[in-house]
Amino acid sequence: QKEVEQNSGPLSVPEGAIASLNCTYSDRVSQSFFWYRQYSGKSPELIMSIYSNGDKEDGRFTAQLNKASQYVSLLIRDSQPSDSATYLCAVIPSGGSYIPTFGRGTSLIVHP
Amino acid sequence: EAGVAQSPRYKIIEKRQSVAFWCNPISGHATLYWYQQILGQGPKLLIQFQNNGVVDDSQLPKDRFSAERLKGVDSTLKIQPAKLEDSAVYLCASSTAGTSRGTQYFGPGTRLLVL
Repeated sequence: QKEVEQNSGPLSVPEGAIASLNCTYSDRVSQSFFWYRQYSGKSPELIMSIYSNGDKEDGRFTAQLNKASQYVSLLIRDSQPSDSATYLCAVIPSGGSYIPTFGRGTSLIVHP
Repeated sequence: EAGVAQSPRYKIIEKRQSVAFWCNPISGHATLYWYQQILGQGPKLLIQFQNNGVVDDSQLPKDRFSAERLKGVDSTLKIQPAKLEDSAVYLCASSTAGTSRGTQYFGPGTRLLVL
């Protein structure tokens, strides 16, 4: 069974610090990787997608992908209290039916 | 552009009763997903449709859950009979196409409590 692993946390960081969230996956044919943010009581919303090895930056967010090591990470620079949420990692394989698998999410708390 | 619509937003039922959820995806989105999210866990895919055909339903408890997407647009998910462990948020999502790069857009979810 394809698995996506995330540390459930909570990860607590002070305001202004860099938050680092990690995700590992078991399926080597995984092709596409997504980070979603989910506030308590709300539905997931897309933050970043990444498809190639390396870094992808979007504002304060940087996604890092290493397919050889089967991990993907999300860095949040200058963390704000409004970043406090659960961050979900999702993986979609190449070919087949493109069935997504989500991790359980990491809870991030940014304290003032 | 209107987002994914779901109804009802909340539902409380007793075990062994039946319940149905409705989803209207973003216009033009061919792929529709139903997820179950239990508190503290990530979304678990129940069923994935491509237009009105089922792509995957391997994690759908078919003895009690059913889903359909007639005409390739709206979809309904039904539970009959409900069990206590079905208490969860049911999320509907849609994407433009069933490819590996399909960004999923989620609806607000239906929060189900089974007593």
